[in-house]
Order: sequence, then C-alpha cells, then structure tokens
Amino acid sequence: DAGVIQSPRHEVTEMGQEVTLRCKPISGHDYLFWYRQTMMRGLELLIYFNNNVPIDDSGMPEDRFSAKMPNASFSTLKIQPSEPRDSAVYFCASSLGTSPYNEQFFGPGTRLTVL
Amino acid sequence: AQSVSQHNHHVILSEAASLELGCNYSYGGTVNLFWYVQYPGQHLQLLLKYFSGDPLVKGIKGFEAEFIKSKFSFNLRKPSVQWSDTAEYFCAVNGYRDDKIIFGKGTRLHILP
Repeated sequence: DAGVIQSPRHEVTEMGQEVTLRCKPISGHDYLFWYRQTMMRGLELLIYFNNNVPIDDSGMPEDRFSAKMPNASFSTLKIQPSEPRDSAVYFCASSLGTSPYNEQFFGPGTRLTVL
Repeated sequence: AQSVSQHNHHVILSEAASLELGCNYSYGGTVNLFWYVQYPGQHLQLLLKYFSGDPLVKGIKGFEAEFIKSKFSFNLRKPSVQWSDTAEYFCAVNGYRDDKIIFGKGTRLHILP
C-alpha cells in the first residue's frame, strides 16, 4: 500500500490567493483527519470525516477554511483567501475504525507558505 | 476539555544517555494514550499506545511508556538513546471510544553523536 498520499508537498502562494490541498487516504480506511502543525500551536485537528461525512469541524479556524470528501478516496482542504498566518504544515491522516484499535496513519504533509 | 501537556519543548542528550520525556493529560474519564514520533523530513508514526492492561507499554526501537493513572501521566522512556532517535515526539490522548485524538505540542529531541 502506498500509504496516505498528499499533494502538493510544498505550496508557496501570495496572500489572497486560493489554496487547495489534496489527500488520498489508505484504501479501505473509513476515517480521514486534517491537521495543521505550527511552531506556536503544535499539531491541531482541523476537521475529520467518517465514511465521507464531516463529523467535527470545530477545529477549523474560520470561514476561509473548508474541507470536502466527495468520495472514499479523496479529500480536499481549501483556504480562500489565504493569509500569511495560514503558513504551516498540513497533514492528512486516515484510519480504519475508531482509535485506539486502529491507529491513524499520517501522510507526508503539505508545507504551505503564504507570502 | 481534553488537553495534553509536554513538559519539555527541547531536549538535548548525548548518545547512550537515558531518556525520559514527560507527558500529562487532562481528561475526565477512561483514556487511550499514544506517543508518535516525527523524524526529520518524515511524517508522524506511531511509537506506542496504551488502551488497557499492563500500564507499562513497550513500543518500537526500544521505547517504553508507563501510564500512571493517579498522576495523569504517560512518560516516554528509553534507557540508552542513539543519534538516530533525533526527532520530534508527540504525546496524545483520546477518550475511550472517541474518534479524535488530542496532541501535545511536541518535544524536539536532539542526540549528540
């Protein structure tokens, strides 16, 4: 299995532009999580899905952020418009069933820089 | 609200030294506990986890952690570190049957050769 796949690995954009991050979970996994990692705040859960349905988006910082999961093998996290404070590493993770019986597998992350 | 506190943000050790990374959590109920590791340039990987049974949990690469319920702690230990243990370590918690995991802010470990 290729593991969790994220694209792009690096993204540099200018303030005000739309940014779309993509994630392909491990085949067969029914949970998908989006995290943001910064030096100041550590690793924060933004939103997670179960069977393609958003379950908890309380971690989404504001309306500029949105996430979708149109099918079991694809999810997007969109920031529109982007701001410099959105610069961070964004991780996607997937799991089969509820933790702890099944661990979360993380993707390599997307390093976003907003100028 | 659930929270995880990691005492040290940065730890520097020499090879062969013993390691203990502190982790305390706040949660009113039965918990599951984890340690994840992120090697430089890589994604997070599960190091070990506890959800029931023996409070002393052994993980990969010689790491272990002890769950002390009375202290709300889950400290990570290794008797003799190697240069390859240089990484960032995250403690995490979730409530029994919860879907989401709360992570600590991480501890950056540097091992001097």
